[in-house]
Amino acid sequence: QQQVKQSPQSLIVQKGGISIINCAYENTAFDYFPWYQQFPGKGPALLIAIRPDVSEKKEGRFTISFNKSAKQFSLHIMDSQPGDSATYFCAASMGNNFNKFYFGSGTKLNVKP
Amino acid sequence: EAGVAQSPRYKIIEKRQSVAFWCNPISGHATLYWYQQILGQGPKLLIQFQNNGVVDDSQLPKDRFSAERLKGVDSTLKIQPAKLEDSAVYLCASSRNSGTDNEQFFGPGTRLTVL
Repeated sequence: QQQVKQSPQSLIVQKGGISIINCAYENTAFDYFPWYQQFPGKGPALLIAIRPDVSEKKEGRFTISFNKSAKQFSLHIMDSQPGDSATYFCAASMGNNFNKFYFGSGTKLNVKP
Repeated sequence: EAGVAQSPRYKIIEKRQSVAFWCNPISGHATLYWYQQILGQGPKLLIQFQNNGVVDDSQLPKDRFSAERLKGVDSTLKIQPAKLEDSAVYLCASSRNSGTDNEQFFGPGTRLTVL
């Protein structure tokens, strides 16, 4: 059973546009929702994370929107840049389960200049 | 703060051979994870250690994969014998896992090619 479902699989955005990636989860016990950015040949790196007590978190051009009732969260990249071209993974974990993480399948973002 | 170190970065072996990967987590991080990432997919947890004890190895193919974390610091992941479908990137990650500090840090990974 896939605990975290991510869409779309790939995304092409023009420079300056908004990139939106969506994730849905099943387990209401999850209490930590990070987004990771991965460049080719590198390990994933934490981009931004949110806890379910807030509906939105913004860090620079990156925003997480969180909908607890719908069990969905999304990453918005404003003013997308070619340097943002990477694969993005959402994840979910619950701290009371030794912090086990469940990852989405990834979204390959291509920002065209 | 030094990051998670992994070696080797690349490994090519023939099927049925054995291979071992090494990971040195961030100092003070109690939790260590080994993930398998097949091309085009998200990381899949193989095994998770809390200090030197295993807390989850439900997706580890125990007939061929083994892992240990002696002294609760470094860890090794071994595959013996390797199969073609083991070709993937093997990621090591660590986290402090203390209170609300859940952040997980990844190493650069080891790319394994099984021929």
